[in-house]
Amino acid sequence: EAQVTQNPRYLITVTGKKLTVTCSQNMNHEYMSWYRQDPGLGLRQIYYSMNVEVTDKGDVPEGYKVSRKEKRNFPLILESPSPNQTSLYFCASSPGGRGYGYTFGSGTRLTVV
Amino acid sequence: QKEVEQNSGPLSVPEGAIASLNCTYSDRGSQSFFWYRQYSGKSPELIMSIYSNGDKEDGRFTAQLNKASQYVSLLIRDSQPSDSATYLCAVSTPGNEKLTFGTGTRLTIIP
Repeated sequence: EAQVTQNPRYLITVTGKKLTVTCSQNMNHEYMSWYRQDPGLGLRQIYYSMNVEVTDKGDVPEGYKVSRKEKRNFPLILESPSPNQTSLYFCASSPGGRGYGYTFGSGTRLTVV
Repeated sequence: QKEVEQNSGPLSVPEGAIASLNCTYSDRGSQSFFWYRQYSGKSPELIMSIYSNGDKEDGRFTAQLNKASQYVSLLIRDSQPSDSATYLCAVSTPGNEKLTFGTGTRLTIIP
């Protein structure tokens, strides 16, 4: 089944404790992206990647890191999480090209206390 | 000015009627336009994409694009209770690497 897999689905952590949210896609898509979704603010792009070793900042990159060492994987790293990073996070992938949208993973609900 | 604007709703439509959802965008260089449906607690699901002026139909859904007016709309015919969800409009840059979303319109279909 074609899908984007994120783990974990739920995570509660403490301020300052480094964490990684994994994302993997099995569709051989070129593009991958991370979004966070907050009430009233909608979906905001954190980082995106157009290919292996090619990443760029989205609208809200502060406090996040990403890497794209393999085409299928695009982990999101929070080096020192803070309470304002409490949010619902989505990973997504796309083949790129005109008219091709992103396919989203199931989401990771992160709480930082 | 927000890059992608939608009326947040809620929009209530009787079952069987046509639901009309609207979206405006600010970047004239935008290339592709998308409508996603998101049920509460779930991830966004792509339902329509369009990149040429005019209408595009897929089953009960019709997307309409007017680049001159920077306007995208989604029509849902014969609305069903299962169509009750938040509908997100999204707009992509020419390379499709950056997808910007509106804040969504909450649609409720009344049986």
